[in-house]
Amino acid sequence: AQSVAQPEDQVNVAEGNPLTVKCTYSVSGNPYLFWYVQYPNRGLQFLLKYITGDNLVKGSYGFEAEFNKSQTSFHLKKPSALVSDSALYFCAVRPSGNTPLVFGKGTRLSVIA
Amino acid sequence: GAGVSQSPSNKVTEKGKDVELRCDPISGHTALYWYRQSLGQGLEFLIYFQGNSAPDKSGLPSDRFSAERTGGSVSTLTIQRTQQEDSAVYLCASSLYAVSARNTEAFFGQGTRLTVV
Repeated sequence: AQSVAQPEDQVNVAEGNPLTVKCTYSVSGNPYLFWYVQYPNRGLQFLLKYITGDNLVKGSYGFEAEFNKSQTSFHLKKPSALVSDSALYFCAVRPSGNTPLVFGKGTRLSVIA
Repeated sequence: GAGVSQSPSNKVTEKGKDVELRCDPISGHTALYWYRQSLGQGLEFLIYFQGNSAPDKSGLPSDRFSAERTGGSVSTLTIQRTQQEDSAVYLCASSLYAVSARNTEAFFGQGTRLTVV
């Protein structure tokens, strides 16, 4: 089955420190991977995606993600966290065929001033 | 419109009543998706539309749930005889190309928070 796993329910980081939100995937064929962010009482906002090419993908708000095929991972990163980055982050995969995005359970990021 | 619009933003209903949730996708987007987000859970896929047809209804949790899309635009998710376990945030998303265009991201509305009392 095609799936993504976000092993951490919660990540805490001090403002100014680098942050990493982990995601691993299980798909057949080439993975199409996405990160979304959800701020309180808001819908999901698209951050970035990996389709092919460079393993390091840059997205909105200074976020980037590194695709690692051997580790089947697509971790979200940011060099310097802001308090305003505090939100719920979802990793997603688009399986093959006519199948919509499959989401992980989400990781709550808390950036402490 | 500028983004995906959902209405109402909040809905409180009594157990056993029917509810209709509306989604107005981004103009020109051919694919439309419904997801459900329960407290502490991830996003549960419910149904998607390609144009007006729904090739995959496998995610609908029971026959009390139905959805339609008319004119390739607005979609309505209907829950009949609501139960307390239906309480959740219902999210709608749309994407420009067909679902089979795997590299296409989906854009989400702000959701409808449904509370069944």
